[in-house]
Amino acid sequence: QQQVKQSPQSLIVQKGGISIINCAYENTAFDYFPWYQQFPGKGPALLIAIRPDVSEKKEGRFTISFNKSAKQFSLHIMDSQPGDSATYFCAASVNNNDMRFGAGTRLTVKP
Amino acid sequence: NAGVMQNPRHLVRRRGQEARLRCSPMKGHSHVYWYRQLPEEGLKFMVYLQKENIIDESGMPKERFSAEFPKEGPSILRIQQVVRGDSAAYFCASSPRELGITGNTIYFGEGSWLTVV
Repeated sequence: QQQVKQSPQSLIVQKGGISIINCAYENTAFDYFPWYQQFPGKGPALLIAIRPDVSEKKEGRFTISFNKSAKQFSLHIMDSQPGDSATYFCAASVNNNDMRFGAGTRLTVKP
Repeated sequence: NAGVMQNPRHLVRRRGQEARLRCSPMKGHSHVYWYRQLPEEGLKFMVYLQKENIIDESGMPKERFSAEFPKEGPSILRIQQVVRGDSAAYFCASSPRELGITGNTIYFGEGSWLTVV
């Protein structure tokens, strides 16, 4: 069963706009929520991660918002650039073992 | 400081042959994970191993697929009697033994692309 649900499946944003990708989870034991970025032909690379004791984490143009009561978390990419065009995966795990991934969002940033 | 190393990067097999994919985790990592990614799809968990032990293989197909992580050497994902539907990218990831609270995570290799013809 899919433990992490991700939306949208694809997203097109204009350069300079905000990209928002959402994820919802079911297992309340999850305690680590990373986002991975994958370019074509490459392996996923860790982008940013959050633990449930904080509601927001920001690194540069990338922000994770976390809503523990709703069991949802989202990735916001501010000032989106064409170089951000990639597939983004949310994930969740318990103590980093057996990490489960969302289905991915293909982001296209148009110049 | 090498990352997760996977080989081969690309592998072509005829239907019915065997495919062996290798993964060397990052130095100091003793946990290995295998994921499969079908074209235009997400990452599907297959198996989680520690040295000489399979911890969770709930994502492995019941037949033809096996994985090992011996005491010495890389982790191996083995697919016997491959079929066209096995064509996919297979990613290995590793994580450190000690998890702590400082944000340890899993690190992916570049993947092995299997094509069955």
